[in-house]
Amino acid sequence: AQSVTQLGSHVSVSEGALVLLRCNYSSSVPPYLFWYVQYPNQGLQLLLKYTTGATLVKGINGFEAEFKKSETSFHLTKPSAHMSDAAEYFCAVSGPVYTGGFKTIFGAGTRLFVKA
Amino acid sequence: NAGVTQTPKFQVLKTGQSMTLQCAQDMNHEYMSWYRQDPGMGLRLIHYSVGAGITDQGEVPNGYNVSRSTTEDFPLRLLSAAPSQTSVYFCASRPGQGGVWDTEAFFGQGTRLTVV
Repeated sequence: AQSVTQLGSHVSVSEGALVLLRCNYSSSVPPYLFWYVQYPNQGLQLLLKYTTGATLVKGINGFEAEFKKSETSFHLTKPSAHMSDAAEYFCAVSGPVYTGGFKTIFGAGTRLFVKA
Repeated sequence: NAGVTQTPKFQVLKTGQSMTLQCAQDMNHEYMSWYRQDPGMGLRLIHYSVGAGITDQGEVPNGYNVSRSTTEDFPLRLLSAAPSQTSVYFCASRPGQGGVWDTEAFFGQGTRLTVV
């Protein structure tokens, strides 16, 4: 079974500061990991994903995340925050279910505030 | 390309009423799912489908029914609305059949449902 834990329901940074959003997962199989962003009154859209290969994954809008198997982590970072980054961010893990399909489990989300 | 379309965007129901939330996608995706989003709880899977005629329960299926008669449509039915079903509902689709769980999901804009 898969699960996702996002540390910190709210994170506040100053514009230009480092953004670090934490995500830890558990999975009984090699995980596929995702970060999604949700802007107010909108659906979720993909920021980046890890499936196989390079453990440092680059996404849109300058975000990147590193898959660390030993720490079961997939933290999201951005070197310099911009006001437009204010949104809610969700970490997710996908894996198979016994029926032969698969499902995605989402973390509780982290709301990012960016101060001018 | 419309992507994933949800209707309605907003709905107010009285306790005990029934209704259907509509979801349609035009990307020929095999996999479709319904989530509900509640503050501090992230997205929780209600039901999902790996193809026309095949559906299965997610984490929180009670009080909801689904069917999948076509690839494009995946309606969610509330049988007898309760205040606990007040939430924002998201439909998502993704390509690939069972076993392909490394693809990202495409989300609709959401339906904000209030049950009074």
